[in-house]
Amino acid sequence: QKEVEQDPGPLSVPEGAIVSLNCTYSNSAFQYFMWYRQYSRKGPELLMYTYSSGNKEDGRFTAQVDKSSKYISLFIRDSQPSDSATYLCAMSLYNFNKFYFGSGTKLNVKP
Amino acid sequence: GAVVSQHPSRVICKSGTSVKIECRSLDFQATTMFWYRQFPKQSLMLMATSNEGSKATYEQGVEKDKFLINHASLTLSTLTVTSAHPEDSSFYICSPLKDTEAFFGQGTRLTVV
Repeated sequence: QKEVEQDPGPLSVPEGAIVSLNCTYSNSAFQYFMWYRQYSRKGPELLMYTYSSGNKEDGRFTAQVDKSSKYISLFIRDSQPSDSATYLCAMSLYNFNKFYFGSGTKLNVKP
Repeated sequence: GAVVSQHPSRVICKSGTSVKIECRSLDFQATTMFWYRQFPKQSLMLMATSNEGSKATYEQGVEKDKFLINHASLTLSTLTVTSAHPEDSSFYICSPLKDTEAFFGQGTRLTVV
């Protein structure tokens, strides 16, 4: 079993839709949770960073962590064609000596 | 945020030659640097972790003599692919750690012909 599971998609939505991206994990010791956006042939870009359960909002993006279910989500409101990219979830233990990545979900927002 | 500069962005080399990839953190100091390899439509595969001034720790299955990592300063790390072969063709990405956040370089597309 992989430590982090993420549906690879692709996920195709119309412009303006609310997008929900999810990851599950198996290691209850993970404490830090991140979402990255990666455009084709580019390095990942940090979008959201959360610690502990709960919600964190930044503009159109909301990150949600449910430690009891070992489940994290990223919501994108009013999605735009420029949001079309691959979204990677990542998580880390308390010491940050390694990051564990999901396989990435490819999102396509159609104009 | 943080500014990370990785270059070259793209390189083509002949089989048997060596290629050096540089990664610089321009506005912060990184005591830890991660190097990843990414195959098409796949996630990031950690190759090694390096801490400034000490030898890199390689993941299982990664040849340390083939992928030489040098973390000479808090702002510069290099990955050298030695005696490159076509199967080394891939996308290589550096990731310096700033406090508790991992940032990424733009990646280097290596093609070995």
